[in-house]
Amino acid sequence: DVKVTQSSRYLVKRTGEKVFLECVQDMDHENMFWYRQDPGLGLRLIYFSYDVKMKEKGDIPEGYSVSREKKERFSLILESASTNQTSMYLCASSSLLQRNEQFFGPGTRLTVL
Amino acid sequence: AQKITQTQPGMFVQEKEAVTLDCTYDTSDPSYGLFWYKQPSSGEMIFLIYQGSYDQQNATEGRYSLNFQKARKSANLVISASQLGDSAMYFCAMREGRGSTLGRLYFGRGTQLTVWP
Repeated sequence: DVKVTQSSRYLVKRTGEKVFLECVQDMDHENMFWYRQDPGLGLRLIYFSYDVKMKEKGDIPEGYSVSREKKERFSLILESASTNQTSMYLCASSSLLQRNEQFFGPGTRLTVL
Repeated sequence: AQKITQTQPGMFVQEKEAVTLDCTYDTSDPSYGLFWYKQPSSGEMIFLIYQGSYDQQNATEGRYSLNFQKARKSANLVISASQLGDSAMYFCAMREGRGSTLGRLYFGRGTQLTVWP
């Protein structure tokens, strides 16, 4: 089974802190994605990556950065967390060979105080 | 413009009845794929069904079927014989076949389905 894991299920940080959210997949997928999910807004794409060291901005990249140094790992970085970044963060991976069906991690619920 | 539109924020259905969740999409790309995901209250995203733009037949997976009307750009999810465990948020999503953005999905805002006994 494809497995996508995220470093934390719940995270509480203070305003201004630097926050790292880690995502690891074990299926050798080329593509990896970070979304945030807010009530009534669905899933919004923050950043995605289709290869190591490659990244593309999604629809809401402001306030975020990403890193992909290894194929299996995709990190989301909040350089200076703000309260409006309190949200559920979902990581996903996919492969063109599997019609790009996305496999999701369990999510990280981030609260910024 | 929204790539994926789900016009039903909430739907209610009685157990054992069928229910249709609406989804319309917007693309000029002839090659695309349509997905439905289920998200129970526990939060995990569960893949349900896929339809490719060139597929001639509507996709089916057990109690789930996708009513694909290409000319109307519609990809409704039909759940037959609803069960209490079907209560969840349902998301429609689309992939377009374009260059470096190949692989990203566009999601709708979701429909919250409640199945009552």
